[in-house]
Formats: sequence, C-alpha cells, structure tokens
Amino acid sequence: DTEVTQTPKHLVMGMTNKKSLKCEQHMGHRAMYWYKQKAKKPPELMFVYSYEKLSINESVPSRFSPECPNSSLLNLHLHALQPEDSALYLCASSPTPGTAPTGYTFGSGTRLTIV
Amino acid sequence: GEDVEQSLFLSVREGDSSVINCTYTDSSSTYLYWYKQEPGAGLQLLTYIFSNMDMKQDQRLTVLLNKKDKHLSLRIADTQTGDSAIYFCAGEYIFGTGTRLKVLA
Repeated sequence: DTEVTQTPKHLVMGMTNKKSLKCEQHMGHRAMYWYKQKAKKPPELMFVYSYEKLSINESVPSRFSPECPNSSLLNLHLHALQPEDSALYLCASSPTPGTAPTGYTFGSGTRLTIV
Repeated sequence: GEDVEQSLFLSVREGDSSVINCTYTDSSSTYLYWYKQEPGAGLQLLTYIFSNMDMKQDQRLTVLLNKKDKHLSLRIADTQTGDSAIYFCAGEYIFGTGTRLKVLA
C-alpha cells in the first residue's frame, strides 16, 4: 500500500458544528503532516507529527485540534470554524521527519466548506 | 520567514520544452523537490535533488540547482498535454508559490 487515504473527500459544516477529518497510511511512515491549501495558493504547513508526537504547530488557531492515535492514523478535529477556514486540507506522510529523497506522500485532500 | 517564489504561469506548445523556475531564501533544506498538482487532487512528487548536487536528470525531467543564486529549475522535455498542472518547488515543510503550466496542442 503506497497511499495516503483521506476522508471525507468533501465536507460542508456550519460554524457551530464539530467534525473531524481523517487520514490513514500503511507505509510505515513515522512522520505525518496537515497542510491547508486555499485556492490558487501553495499548501501551508499546519502541524507535524513525529513518531506520534506533535513536533510542530505553526501557530494554528485552537479551533483546529490534531490527534495522532497511532502511527497509521492522523485526525484533525474541527470546532467553531470560520468562513475563512474553507480550504482544501491535505494530509501527507514521510518515512521520517524532515527531508529525505522520498519527499512526502500526499492524500487527495478534504475539501472543507464552512457555511 | 522563508520565501519561495515561482512565476505564476507558463504556456508552451506540445512537444516543446518547459522550464519552471524557483528562487528561495533559506538554503538549509538537505533535499529540494518538485511536486505536481492536478485539479482537485493532492500533490505528487515528481523528482528531487540533493542540496550538494548541481543537476539531476530523471527521464524527461532535468533539475538544475544553483546554490549561490538560490535558484532551482525544472525542465520538462517533450512536454505533453498531460503535463498541464500546477508545479510546486519545495524544501523542508515549505512550498513555492506554484507555477501553472498550460500545454497547447
């Protein structure tokens, strides 16, 4: 298995809702990432998990709460989001944190719309 | 913070070569990468270069790295319509602004 699987593919939620984005990989990768991508912009790093521990939080608002229950799973819990949080949320993984020849393997993303 | 800049748009004819350029400010990344993103999809790693190399060739792709000028480029030979996409250069954690490549038949 050489994929990163993200669910759901699309999510529409109100500003008072609570929802979660899920990401799964079975490549034995020990680093996992959340990126946010707005239209016509590059992906922006949100969080890095290294060996299931949060190693980088890029000053992300607390309405985004990451969780790494085990080495294969990464969740992003969402609560009280704002319309400007509408974006494509990308999960990625790599064998180890930082840079390596393999780069990152990306999922196809969750398209999130806040109404 | 680090800046990674790319030109926004490139249009080429099918069969021609494409050259996508990238300039960066932080040279601490051990590897530099090129990713491709098609509409509505995630990013796909195309190739990489080790930071102490000047050039790497990988089938139709050639990567050039000028560390002195902090300039990275990706050349795609014999560009095809299937190469139409957005191309991002990247270092550790950070991505360039992206270049939209349009290939005209």
